[in-house]
Amino acid sequence: AQTVTQSQPEMSVQEAETVTLSCTYDTSESDYYLFWYKQPPSRQMILVIRQEAYKQQNATENRFSVNFQKAAKSFSLKISDSQLGDAAMYFCAYRSDKYIFGTGTRLKVLA
Amino acid sequence: DGGITQSPKYLFRKEGQNVTLSCEQNLNHDAMYWYRQDPGQGLRLIYYSQIVNDFQKGDIAEGYSVSREKKESFPLTVTSAQKNPTAFYLCASSPRVSFGTEAFFGQGTRLTVV
Repeated sequence: AQTVTQSQPEMSVQEAETVTLSCTYDTSESDYYLFWYKQPPSRQMILVIRQEAYKQQNATENRFSVNFQKAAKSFSLKISDSQLGDAAMYFCAYRSDKYIFGTGTRLKVLA
Repeated sequence: DGGITQSPKYLFRKEGQNVTLSCEQNLNHDAMYWYRQDPGQGLRLIYYSQIVNDFQKGDIAEGYSVSREKKESFPLTVTSAQKNPTAFYLCASSPRVSFGTEAFFGQGTRLTVV
């Protein structure tokens, strides 16, 4: 069975600095997709970024980028130039026939 | 506007009662999902459905039931057999064919047992 692990329950970053959130997963499949979701205090789930496993190039969306290491089954999220609005829970997710989520990392942004 | 609507936003239940959480989508998505969110445990899958009139148990299906009679609707019933139903419930949908597409989420229902 596939599993997703986020080992950092909470992280803090100074405004305008860079922070990296970690995610590892376990699967025997070769073709799959990975996602990072943001859940602000409103609790609405918002897609941050997606990565296709067969693509070597790391995905990037503005200030958000990933470091995808397929052999190591690692999928970390880097947030550059952190803003107060980035404060939220961040969930890593894996998709096969369903979505499997990690336990989340709470990100605090310090002014 | 296309999207997923969950209702109600807040729900209170007396012990021993069944309650049904509504989830409706107008995105023409084939697949729908129900997740439970508790502090420190992330999103845990309760049930999911890839197509009308078919659904599968997730990791924590005990004490819950679902139906999928229409493509746009996937209601979740929390039965009296669910020992600790107080939680935040999220419904999601996605196209079935393309594995690359993300899940789209509703705004959630907060269920409290009183």
